[in-house]
Amino acid sequence: EPEVTQTPSHQVTQMGQEVILRCVPISNHLYFYWYRQILGQKVEFLVSFYNNEISEKSEIFDDQFSVERPDGSNFTLKIRSTKLEDSAMYFCASTEELAGVQDTQYFGPGTRLTVL
Amino acid sequence: GDSVTQMEGPVTLSEEAFLTINCTYTATGYPSLFWYVQYPGEGLQLLLKATKADDKGSNKGFEATYRKETTSFHLEKGSVQVSDSAVYFCALSAPSFYNQGGKLIFGQGTELSVKP
Repeated sequence: EPEVTQTPSHQVTQMGQEVILRCVPISNHLYFYWYRQILGQKVEFLVSFYNNEISEKSEIFDDQFSVERPDGSNFTLKIRSTKLEDSAMYFCASTEELAGVQDTQYFGPGTRLTVL
Repeated sequence: GDSVTQMEGPVTLSEEAFLTINCTYTATGYPSLFWYVQYPGEGLQLLLKATKADDKGSNKGFEATYRKETTSFHLEKGSVQVSDSAVYFCALSAPSFYNQGGKLIFGQGTELSVKP
């Protein structure tokens, strides 16, 4: 069964450093998402991406964040200058489009980001 | 804005007990509703979904009915097993007309612990 994959599974970085989180969505999917989950809190939407541009972004997704689909398979989330409060589990998700409506989102296993 | 509220956890049950996890929502229009499950150390997996009022989603013995009149989507299972121990998230996705990105809005999650 196709699945969403994410690398690395755990990333430790120093405050102020740049990190890139990588995702490989399911191959025929057209919509891509990033969510985050701070320990013990709810899963929060960050950004959605379709047709090589951002469809929607949340208030969390400020100028420090960017997303990119550099080739036909990868989808990346970059944090330019990490802060302590960026420590969280980051989930990538993807979905296909059926009859003009986005279908069920399938999630990757997540990348745990720890900012020291 | 749109939101999802779940009952507080943790919920601790004995094996074969009946499970209910309450979920209510606030949304513009007619959202799709989902239950996702997160097993320890893993990502989010879709458990079941319902896309319109009075639909019943079901999977692995779990059920939830989309109740528009009470804006609820309560999760139920008649007889839980130890292997059902996980965190359960209720979520909604507004229809494409209102939400071009198709983002999911999650509740805070309910931890379920099933004892033998």
